[in-house]
Amino acid sequence: AQSVSQHNHHVILSEAASLELGCNYSYGGTVNLFWYVQYPGQHLQLLLKYFSGDPLVKGIKGFEAEFIKSKFSFNLRKPSVQWSDTAEYFCAVTEPYGNKLVFGAGTILRVKS
Amino acid sequence: NAGVMQNPRHLVRRRGQEARLRCSPMKGHSHVYWYRQLPEEGLKFMVYLQKENIIDESGMPKERFSAEFPKEGPSILRIQQVVRGDSAAYFCASSPDRASGYTFGSGTRLTVV
Repeated sequence: AQSVSQHNHHVILSEAASLELGCNYSYGGTVNLFWYVQYPGQHLQLLLKYFSGDPLVKGIKGFEAEFIKSKFSFNLRKPSVQWSDTAEYFCAVTEPYGNKLVFGAGTILRVKS
Repeated sequence: NAGVMQNPRHLVRRRGQEARLRCSPMKGHSHVYWYRQLPEEGLKFMVYLQKENIIDESGMPKERFSAEFPKEGPSILRIQQVVRGDSAAYFCASSPDRASGYTFGSGTRLTVV
């Protein structure tokens, strides 16, 4: 079965620091990849997604992610975080035309002002 | 577009009672997914429905849990005879088709006392 691993459960950064959150998945075939963000007390929002094409994907709020097929990875990056980026971040994977998203356990990011 | 609407936002039930969670998908979305988020864990897939049909219920516990998505009205996730271990956040998502990303609702936080 498909599984998704997020390397760090908690990350603490100072404002303006660079961010990279790791995500690896297990499925060896073609996949669709997503990053979702959940701000405190709110629902999940889509940050960005990759279906095909350019493996460097730009999302909202200055986030980007790079799909590296050979490493089964889809790491999330942001060059300079802000206090308002404090949230929980989830990586998710689905097979094309598959029934369900498989989520990682999430990474809680706290940005110190 | 109102987005995916879930109600109630918070639900408290005593052990042995029934819990009914409602989800109205986005306008034009005929695919509905239910996920459960336990403390310190990521979202776990429960069930995928289209109008009047259960497509994939591989994540549903075999007993006490059921889901429906009638021709008219919201999707309902029903938990009979709730136990403390059912306490979690239950999220609904919808999509217009199987290939698109999901839009999530705000979730229902169920507490069993």
